[in-house]
Amino acid sequence: EPEVTQTPSHQVTQMGQEVILRCVPISNHLYFYWYRQILGQKVEFLVSFYNNEISEKSEIFDDQFSVERPDGSNFTLKIRSTKLEDSAMYFCASSEAGNTEAFFGQGTRLTVV
Amino acid sequence: AQTVTQSQPEMSVQEAETVTLSCTYDTSESDYYLFWYKQPPSRQMILVIRQEAYKQQNATENRFSVNFQKAAKSFSLKISDSQLGDAAMYFCAYRSLYSGAGSYQLTFGKGTKLSVIP
Repeated sequence: EPEVTQTPSHQVTQMGQEVILRCVPISNHLYFYWYRQILGQKVEFLVSFYNNEISEKSEIFDDQFSVERPDGSNFTLKIRSTKLEDSAMYFCASSEAGNTEAFFGQGTRLTVV
Repeated sequence: AQTVTQSQPEMSVQEAETVTLSCTYDTSESDYYLFWYKQPPSRQMILVIRQEAYKQQNATENRFSVNFQKAAKSFSLKISDSQLGDAAMYFCAYRSLYSGAGSYQLTFGKGTKLSVIP
């Protein structure tokens, strides 16, 4: 069964460093998303991406964040200069169309020290 | 903006019994989707069930069913014959039906942690 895969599963980085979280969406999906879940809190929307551009972003998604689809398969989230409060679980999701189910990856746990 | 509220931070159920998780939401839209996602200790988000607001019939998926009350903006999840594998965090989520009305992003509640007692 097709699935969304995320790498790495866990990343530890020093404050101020850049990190890139990687995702491989399901191959025929056209809409891509990043969500964040700070430990013990709810899942929050960061950004949606369609047709090679951002279609929607939340107030969390500031200039420190960027997304990219560098090739036909990967979808990345970059955090330029990490802060302690960026420590969270980051989920990638994809959907075939905008109004169909979003399938989530297993998440990347980011720890900023 | 839409909001989703789950008023039960934790619930427990005996194995083989039935449990109902509550969810209420607030929206000015008339058409939308509602979802329940399960997050086991592995942390992956797994879709359990979805409901289209324009459908009056409550959705069911095997042991999982919902009670959708559109006028009351209530969307509860019933788990029948609970199993140990049902132990997880359960999130209720809302999504607009049409793009431009807030995009296709999901708005989640804070979750309910369900424990299953053997």
